[in-house]
Order: sequence, then C-alpha cells, then structure tokens
Amino acid sequence: ETGVTQTPRHLVMGMTNKKSLKCEQHLGHNAMYWYKQSAKKPLELMFVYNFKEQTENNSVPSRFSPECPNSSHLFLHLHTLQPEDSALYLCASSQNPNSVSTDTQYFGPGTRLTVL
Amino acid sequence: QKEVEQDPGPLSVPEGAIVSLNCTYSNSAFQYFMWYRQYSRKGPELLMYTYSSGNKEDGRFTAQVDKSSKYISLFIRDSQPSDSATYLCAMRSTGTASKLTFGTGTRLQVTL
Repeated sequence: ETGVTQTPRHLVMGMTNKKSLKCEQHLGHNAMYWYKQSAKKPLELMFVYNFKEQTENNSVPSRFSPECPNSSHLFLHLHTLQPEDSALYLCASSQNPNSVSTDTQYFGPGTRLTVL
Repeated sequence: QKEVEQDPGPLSVPEGAIVSLNCTYSNSAFQYFMWYRQYSRKGPELLMYTYSSGNKEDGRFTAQVDKSSKYISLFIRDSQPSDSATYLCAMRSTGTASKLTFGTGTRLQVTL
C-alpha cells in the first residue's frame, strides 16, 4: 500500500450505532488530519495530530472522537450521529506542520458516510 | 463573507481549450496557495503549490497569484477529458501550517 489509505470506503449507520473510521499513512509523515467534506461546502478541518499529540480540535461535537495511537494510524470513532453528519470524511497527512514553508498535505480517498 | 470564494461551476469546455479557474480571498495573511484536483470518489491530490505572488508553471498547468488583488488562478492549457474533475483552491498563512482554508471547488468537464 502506498500513500494514505482509508477504510471503510463506504459506511451506512443508524443514529444509535457506534462505528470507527480508520486511516493509515505510508509516507513517514508526522502529522495526520481529519476533514469533513459536504456537498457545496469547503473542506472543514476537524482534528489535527502532530507527533501523536492532538494540536487542533475545530469545535467538533463530542459524538466524533479521534484517536492517534502512532504517527501512521488515525481513527475517528463515531457514536450517536445525526443525519446532517452524512458526508465524505477525508484523512490527510503531512511531513511536519512546524516546517511552515514546505509542509503539504496528502489526502486519502475518503470514507463516504451515510447516517440514517 | 467567506474567507475564500470559488465559483462552483460546473464549467464545461471542449477538448483543447484553455481553462481558467479562479479563487478570491479576504485574508491578507495568506501566503501559501495550493490547487488540488479531486476526481469523483477520490481524495484531493495536490497539483500546484506557490508562495506569495507570481507565476508557477508545471507542464500544462500554470498557477498565478496576485496578492494585491487577493486573487489566484489556475490555467490548464490543451485541456483533456482526463482533466475533468473538481478543482479546489487552498491557502494558509505563515503561522499555521496545519490550517488550510479551502474554496468550495469548481467542477470542470472537458468534452470531446
């Protein structure tokens, strides 16, 4: 596997379910990100982990819970979601956001989430 | 007012045409500008990365930044059907490497 991978690619869940999204990066990067992409809206940054430490939480509801066990893996745990949470959830990674001038983000293919 | 404005399209052009995609922004602190291409059912992939004002060329793609007007452009020469995708502009300031601000994306369709 190369680049950034995400599983599952598609997920349908009810409002009372608990599920998890997984992201893995094979680029040797130190930072990982979760974004939400909804139709006709810009990508919304949700969480940032830099060297496994959470450095950004963009006022995300607590029904979304991230976990970063190491620099290569990132999870997004989901529980009691709402239908408006249906979106494409994208994971990204970058080498080191502390290197401001050169840092660029590489995205995975996303998980298409539908909440019924 | 959104920080970054981008016409959602769709923009339909014939094969071989020159395509111009644009974004305007309001935050004068933005210094780094990116264009991402996103095919249907895929994640965004980085196309162009520029710093401050000026032009950058890579093959058929040219990125242009005009900081005085707060306006960035992506030109695609000799457009191909394989260029059909959504193009997202993104930008950030010097102090927040992790925090990209994106446009909504412009959907481009190149027809035969």
